[in-house]
Amino acid sequence: DIQMTQSPSTLSASVGDRVTITCRASQSISSWLAWYQLKPGKAPKLLIYKASSLETGVPSRFSGSGSGTEFTLTISSLQPDDFATYYCQQYDSWTFGQGTKVEIK
Amino acid sequence: EVQLLESGGGLVQPGKSLRLSCAASGFIFSNYAMSWVRQVPGKGLEWVSLIILSGASTYYADSVKGRFTISRDNSKNTLYLQMNRLRAEDTAVYYCAKGHSSFARVVPFDSWGQGTLVTVSS
Repeated sequence: DIQMTQSPSTLSASVGDRVTITCRASQSISSWLAWYQLKPGKAPKLLIYKASSLETGVPSRFSGSGSGTEFTLTISSLQPDDFATYYCQQYDSWTFGQGTKVEIK
Repeated sequence: EVQLLESGGGLVQPGKSLRLSCAASGFIFSNYAMSWVRQVPGKGLEWVSLIILSGASTYYADSVKGRFTISRDNSKNTLYLQMNRLRAEDTAVYYCAKGHSSFARVVPFDSWGQGTLVTVSS
């Protein structure tokens, strides 16, 4: 099974900060990597797919990069609506990372 | 607009069964892989199962293999999850999710329902 490891588990940041979250796969997944945003009481939201493709309607401050086993999600300028938990997912066999909570500093 | 509406959750005793349903609308249901994903309260997301367009192929997480069965009725635009021999650790919010691209298995999930809570407890 492919294991996904995210870091950090928690990230404290301020509005306007540049934020980067890392996701590592236990074996190569090519570019089959997605990022989701999850807020309490709401359905998960797809942000990025195929490692770097921005889902329709997602603000351009979100970007993704990487291939193989190392991936990053970057928020270029953190906005109040962005405080949430973020998950990576490899969708060759669909497993998720453990999540990164972005909280207010 | 894509809509996914889960139902069937509730309180069930360990060892018992439960069937979840997901009613889909706003897209051509038969053209997309569909999946179930769960979240234990306060914990992370866990992929549970996926079914391809025709239902001919199904996939399961090791944690549910042999106990859960995913199925779909394309004539009713409905996805199902039959959960047998339930355990306390199956307690979670169960989400129905739609594959991002039509006619594909290797897909992320671009639309999700609001989830249905399953509580396994005596």
